[in-house]
Amino acid sequence: QVQLVESGGGVVQPGRSLRLSCAASGFTFSSYGMHWVRQAPGKGLEWVAHISYDGSNQDYVDSVKGRFTISRDNSKNTLYLQMNSLRTEDMSVYHCAKDLGANRIRHFDLWGRGTLVTVSS
Amino acid sequence: DIVMTQTPLSSPVTLGQSASISCRSSQSLVHSDGNTYLSWLQQRPGQPPRLLIYKVSQRSSGVPDRFSGSGAGTDFTLKISRVEAEDVGVYYCMQTTQFPPTFGGGTKVEIK
Repeated sequence: QVQLVESGGGVVQPGRSLRLSCAASGFTFSSYGMHWVRQAPGKGLEWVAHISYDGSNQDYVDSVKGRFTISRDNSKNTLYLQMNSLRTEDMSVYHCAKDLGANRIRHFDLWGRGTLVTVSS
Repeated sequence: DIVMTQTPLSSPVTLGQSASISCRSSQSLVHSDGNTYLSWLQQRPGQPPRLLIYKVSQRSSGVPDRFSGSGAGTDFTLKISRVEAEDVGVYYCMQTTQFPPTFGGGTKVEIK
């Protein structure tokens, strides 16, 4: 069925790295832009990063620029988020989300359940 | 960044009655292409967000017509008619007109 399933979360010390994955199924992954959106426990939603359908364009929120890298492997229908130099404020559930469009950021019409990243010493 | 402000924070509603949620943006959400990229998301307890409405008033696939969106410029409203128990959750407005995308703080809909 049409779904997104995240993995790779866990407990990590400040300053360390983690790579998240998002496996897509049920739709033509290579035709759509994709996003990572995070949600701190009990809090609202914060957009983190976007990648265009072919991986040629990436965008980031200022607070993660230079530390996080979004990428995709269309042959594996998988989205990634490489997170380096993690900070306590990065602690959140990370959702991947599909865009209605291919290149531009438009509307997020499919969301995964998310994977929890805990940053703690 | 565009700030999205939702009111109320919480909306207790009787089953079968209506609920309205307001969302105000700090700048106009009319894009240079003429569209207004304002969407509404529903997050039921323990579930991921779900797209309800996009471009102010377009219902996403499978969304009941009890949900309707309206507004223009900087002021937008989500109305839920004939509220059902499954409508309990947090509702977010979101703009993608201007980079970066930003969300409202959320409105919790609960049954009285």
